[in-house]
Amino acid sequence: DAGVTQSPTHLIKTRGQQVTLRCSPISGHKSVSWYQQVLGQGPQFIFQYYEKEERGRGNFPDRFSARQFPNYSSELNVNALLLGDSALYLCASSLSPTGSNYGYTFGSGTRLTVV
Amino acid sequence: GDSVTQMEGPVTLSEEAFLTINCTYTATGYPSLFWYVQYPGEGLQLLLKATKADDKGSNKGFEATYRKETTSFHLEKGSVQVSDSAVYFCALTFFGNEKLTFGTGTRLTIIP
Repeated sequence: DAGVTQSPTHLIKTRGQQVTLRCSPISGHKSVSWYQQVLGQGPQFIFQYYEKEERGRGNFPDRFSARQFPNYSSELNVNALLLGDSALYLCASSLSPTGSNYGYTFGSGTRLTVV
Repeated sequence: GDSVTQMEGPVTLSEEAFLTINCTYTATGYPSLFWYVQYPGEGLQLLLKATKADDKGSNKGFEATYRKETTSFHLEKGSVQVSDSAVYFCALTFFGNEKLTFGTGTRLTIIP
């Protein structure tokens, strides 16, 4: 079975540009979450979607937005990129809305570099 | 707010040594606890979990016991291998909550 797949794997953008990152969850998983991992730190929660509805939002500015499609795949959009947005962006999927029982399965991430 | 504190790294051990990576948490209530591992250039892999007090999670020779009285979830392995070299993250979440809260990670290097 395919795991959580993310695209692209690497991306270089210029300050002020916009970026879209994509995620396909494990088949049967209806919950998708996004995390930002800055170098040397633990991942920070950005969003969670379940059944196409936003279930949670972390402490990130409105430049960050996301959505989930009918096939449960998801996109993360970041507008007006800043140098500080450079990070590994991780997508995670889960069977349940919260992941407290089953845990989350993470993708390999998209490495975003803003120059 | 909820938080996870991990042992400062990096940690360097010789092959076959005993490993302990400390993790303590601060939270209101009783969270589910996880250890994730991140190998170089990869995403996070779930290593083990425990959902209630006194539960022991185990996988690939690693173990961790949920200690409510000390709010801890220390990771242990009796004999480490070079292939265990990675960054280890302790994390928590609550039923009804949507997010994982991670520690800062502990980099482990095993030398032959």
